[in-house]
Amino acid sequence: DTEVTQTPKHLVMGMTNKKSLKCEQHMGHRAMYWYKQKAKKPPELMFVYSYEKLSINESVPSRFSPECPNSSLLNLHLHALQPEDSALYLCASSQEGEASSYNEQFFGPGTRLTVL
Amino acid sequence: GIQVEQSPPDLILQEGANSTLRCNFSDSVNNLQWFHQNPWGQLINLFYIPSGTKQNGRLSATTVATERYSLLYISSSQTTDSGVYFCAVDGSNTGKLIFGQGTTLQVKP
Repeated sequence: DTEVTQTPKHLVMGMTNKKSLKCEQHMGHRAMYWYKQKAKKPPELMFVYSYEKLSINESVPSRFSPECPNSSLLNLHLHALQPEDSALYLCASSQEGEASSYNEQFFGPGTRLTVL
Repeated sequence: GIQVEQSPPDLILQEGANSTLRCNFSDSVNNLQWFHQNPWGQLINLFYIPSGTKQNGRLSATTVATERYSLLYISSSQTTDSGVYFCAVDGSNTGKLIFGQGTTLQVKP
């Protein structure tokens, strides 16, 4: 099974709302990722979690707050977003191989976020 | 940081035609993946190919790591092959995938 699930599929929120995106995998992967993709652009990395610890934060604004409660789950908490944060948010996971190398990443279907 | 360039940016084919997509990268890589993004946004894994050659049905890929490029071959294209094809690399062994700008493929019936 190479499935990564994400909920919700679509989300519309106002700039004062607080919402969360959820990602789940049951492949036993120990690395999980959040990417952001604007229309007509490639995905861009936001965060990397390795063994439930944050290993990379690509200078993402604090209105995005990631959380990894366990090895299968990854959340992205959203607060006080701006309209320019509207995008497709993609979650991915991968095994960690020998010498802590990162292997093939598998992506979820994404959450399409609209900020009004 | 590592640069990833894909060519061509756009490609229009008649059904049944063959095509080659190219990905150039500026430094050595630990990971190279090819994806197909469908109209709903799902990134579908095509190949994990930091080096060598792989084939999967009508698709095949070759990465020449020493020359810093990868090629994706699509044979006997079908309308369902339409979408955006991305090459992505990890040059730092941190899990950070850097994506190229993609090749948008349209296959006409």
